Amino acid sequence: SQQGEEDPQALSIQEGENATMNCSYKTSINNLQWYRQNSGRGLVHLILIRSNEREKHSGRLRVTLDTSKKSSSLLITASRAADTASYFCATDPKEGYQKVTFGIGTKLQVIP
Amino acid sequence: DTAVSQTPKYLVTQMGNDKSIKCEQNLGHDTMYWYKQDSKKFLKIMFSYNNKELIINETVPNRFSPKSPDKAHLNLHINSLELGDSAVYFCASSQETGAGELFFGEGSRLTVL
Repeated sequence: SQQGEEDPQALSIQEGENATMNCSYKTSINNLQWYRQNSGRGLVHLILIRSNEREKHSGRLRVTLDTSKKSSSLLITASRAADTASYFCATDPKEGYQKVTFGIGTKLQVIP
Repeated sequence: DTAVSQTPKYLVTQMGNDKSIKCEQNLGHDTMYWYKQDSKKFLKIMFSYNNKELIINETVPNRFSPKSPDKAHLNLHINSLELGDSAVYFCASSQETGAGELFFGEGSRLTVL
C-alpha cells in the first residue's frame, strides 16, 4: 500500500520565495527521505532524517519530522528556477525489510 | 562515471513481445532494486536483491523476471508485454542492508503498442 502522501500535489511560486511541501505517512518508520526528480530524469537523494531526529538542514533545504503526527515537511528557501522538479518523500517502514516506499510527489514550478 | 546505468533508455515494442532492461551499478552496493513509475508519477517497488538474492517481490506478475548475475547487475526481463506495462522503470541501489539512500538510474521508458 502507498506509504507517503505529499501535499500539495502541485505548487507554483516565484523565484526567491520559499516552497514548503508536506508528507504524511501511515506506519512507524526508521527514517524518511526526500528525493528530487527533474523531468525525464532519475530521482536524486536530497536528505534523510531518522525517526529520532526532529529537524535537519542541508544548504537551502530544511526538513522536519513529527513522528507523533506521522508527517514531515520539506522547506526550500530562496527558491531558484533550477529547483523546478518533482519532490518525493520516501519512508523506510519498521515493518518491511529494505522496502523504501515513495509518495506521489509534489510538482514544484519556480517561475523566474 | 555513471553510478547506476540502465539500458535502453527508450523501448517501444508491440504487445506480446518479450523485452529486457539491463542495470549496472559501480558503487559497490549490495542491494539493488527495480521500481516502476506510472503515468501519474507514482513510484512503486517491484523487486529488491541483496547480493544476488531476491529479497522483495511485490506481487509483480510472473511475466516479470529479474535476474542478478552478480551484485553489480540486476536485469529485468518481461515476457508477453501488455499495454499496462507501459511505464518508466527505474533501477536503484543502496549501500546499507536496511534502507539508506537510494541511487537511481536515469530510467527506461517502455512503451507497449
